[in-house]
Amino acid sequence: DTEVTQTPKHLVMGMTNKKSLKCEQHMGHRAMYWYKQKAKKPPELMFVYSYEKLSINESVPSRFSPECPNSSLLNLHLHALQPEDSALYLCASSATGTVGNTIYFGEGSWLTVV
Amino acid sequence: DQQVKQNSPSLSVQEGRISILNCDYTNSMFDYFLWYKKYPAEGPTFLISISSIKDKNEDGRFTVFLNKSAKHLSLHIVPSQPGDSAVYFCAATNAGGTSYGKLTFGQGTILTVHP
Repeated sequence: DTEVTQTPKHLVMGMTNKKSLKCEQHMGHRAMYWYKQKAKKPPELMFVYSYEKLSINESVPSRFSPECPNSSLLNLHLHALQPEDSALYLCASSATGTVGNTIYFGEGSWLTVV
Repeated sequence: DQQVKQNSPSLSVQEGRISILNCDYTNSMFDYFLWYKKYPAEGPTFLISISSIKDKNEDGRFTVFLNKSAKHLSLHIVPSQPGDSAVYFCAATNAGGTSYGKLTFGQGTILTVHP
């Protein structure tokens, strides 16, 4: 089973709203990621969590707040977003500690900020 | 600075023939390379990977070749099937470093396989 599950699949929110994206995996992976993909562009890394601790933040604005409550769950809290934040948000996971671990992606959450 | 490049935005192939997708990289620290396939409105699906200690990896119809001296890799799909039509992304990482999980993607190549 190489499944990463993301909810919701689609989200429309106003610029003053607070919402969250959720991600779950049951592969025993201890590294989880958030990537962002704009139309016709490749995915870009936002955050990396390793053993439930934030290890990489790619200079993401503070209106995006990640959280890793346990080894299976990863959340992305959204607040005061801008229309240009509309994109496909991808969660991913992988094993750690071994060179060349494959990263598995979820189906993504389409976010539209109005 | 685009560290991973897929110079062909699109490729059209007849069913049953070979599809060859190319990827070039500039960062010599990259030591692990992956190919992903992506349908519209879905997340990337992992296809095949290769470590820099190898020059070839095969999995069914998919073979990835790595030429480290040229900083070039290619994905061969034989035989190509209509269901292979999708966007293919090449990705690279420094898996031996602390930045595992930081995949750098190419711009993608749209593959169309005609029946």
